[in-house]
Amino acid sequence: AQRVTQPEKLLSVFKGAPVELKCNYSYSGSPELFWYVQYSRQRLQLLLRHISRESIKGFTADLNKGETSFHLKKPFAQEEDSAMYYCALTPGGSYIPTFGRGTSLIVHP
Amino acid sequence: DVKVTQSSRYLVKRTGEKVFLECVQDMDHENMFWYRQDPGLGLRLIYFSYDVKMKEKGDIPEGYSVSREKKERFSLILESASTNQTSMYLCASVDGSTDTQYFGPGTRLTVL
Repeated sequence: AQRVTQPEKLLSVFKGAPVELKCNYSYSGSPELFWYVQYSRQRLQLLLRHISRESIKGFTADLNKGETSFHLKKPFAQEEDSAMYYCALTPGGSYIPTFGRGTSLIVHP
Repeated sequence: DVKVTQSSRYLVKRTGEKVFLECVQDMDHENMFWYRQDPGLGLRLIYFSYDVKMKEKGDIPEGYSVSREKKERFSLILESASTNQTSMYLCASVDGSTDTQYFGPGTRLTVL
């Protein structure tokens, strides 16, 4: 069975600092990987998918199959980035995701 | 723009009551999910449905059942609510072409 690990429950940075939210996974096949974000009092929503290779709100994430990681990065954090971030994996050929436990990002002014 | 709505934002029930949580999506998605979201535990899958009247257990189905009589509507039922079912419940529907999940706003259920 697949597993998604987000090792940090809480990440606290200052505005303008680089931020990296870690996501490691275990899965033997070719996964689809996602980052979802939940801002305060808003619904959980997709931030980005690895397959689309796009940058959303300045965030990027690269799938590293060798290290089985999909870390989320942003060079300069903004206060509005404060939110809960979830990494998720969908096995190839399935639509049923496994979510990590989430990382709460706090960006201080 | 996908819309997933849930019947209640907040709900307070007593132990032993039967509780219905409803979810409606307007994008003709075949797959729908119910999760509970708890601090430190992330999202845990309760049940999912891949078609009308079809359902599968997720990781934590005990104490829950579901109903999907119409494609757009997926209901979560707590047959006899217990205090350990106090949680945030999230419904999602899935775009089958991208596997992207679209979430409802959530129902915060408190069982007293």
